[in-house]
Amino acid sequence: GAVVSQHPSRVICKSGTSVKIECRSLDFQATTMFWYRQFPKQSLMLMATSNEGSKATYEQGVEKDKFLINHASLTLSTLTVTSAHPEDSSFYICSARAPDGWQPQHFGDGTRLSIL
Amino acid sequence: GENVEQHPSTLSVQEGDSAVIKCTYSDSASNYFPWYKQELGKRPQLIIDIRSNVGEKKDQRIAVTLNKTAKHFSLHITETQPEDSAVYFCAASKLGGNNRLAFGKGNQVVVIP
Repeated sequence: GAVVSQHPSRVICKSGTSVKIECRSLDFQATTMFWYRQFPKQSLMLMATSNEGSKATYEQGVEKDKFLINHASLTLSTLTVTSAHPEDSSFYICSARAPDGWQPQHFGDGTRLSIL
Repeated sequence: GENVEQHPSTLSVQEGDSAVIKCTYSDSASNYFPWYKQELGKRPQLIIDIRSNVGEKKDQRIAVTLNKTAKHFSLHITETQPEDSAVYFCAASKLGGNNRLAFGKGNQVVVIP
C-alpha cells in the first residue's frame, strides 16, 4: 500500500515553457501533499505544502506565481513551473500522507526537469 | 523551526561490517523520526521510522535508536551488503496535521565488496 505516482518522470524543454507535474496517491486519500526540490548531492528542500481544497502553503523564498500548486482532489496535486528557465532545472519530488496525519510520508518517483 | 544535523556526510564500510549514522534534532516537541534511503536518481524510500514513545526499533538488519534527552537518533545497519550503498536521510517532525518533515543533509554510505 501507500503508493504515490508522479508523472512525468523526465521533461526536457525550452526556456519559457510552462511544465505541469502530477502527483497521485494511488491507494489512499491524501489531504496533504508536499512538493520538494532536490539539487544534485543535496538534501530535499521543501517548496510547499499542498492541502486539498485550499491554497498551498509556500516556504520562504519560493515564488508562488512561479510554482503554481493545485490540490483539487484527495488523490491529485499538481505543480506547474511557469515560464521555466535553466535555473529551474532540478529534481522535483512530491510526497503524500494519509488524512489522519499519523502515517509516514511516501514519495513519488520524482520528475527530472531540464530547461534548455 | 526544527533543525536536523546529520553526521558523517560520507561513510565507507567493508561488506559485512556495521554502519551507523547519527542525527541530532533541535525541537524537543518533535516526536516522529523516519529514515529514508535514496539511490541515485530515484525517490527516497522509507526504510524505518520511530516514534518518541519508544527508544529502539528493529527490522531485520536495520535498527533505529532514539535518545530524547540528548535529542539524537541513530540508524544502525548490520551485515552490510553492496545494495545498501545509497544516500540515507534522517528526518524529524511532529506527528499529525500538516506537520512537515525537517530533513538532514544526507549521508552517502558506500559498502565496499
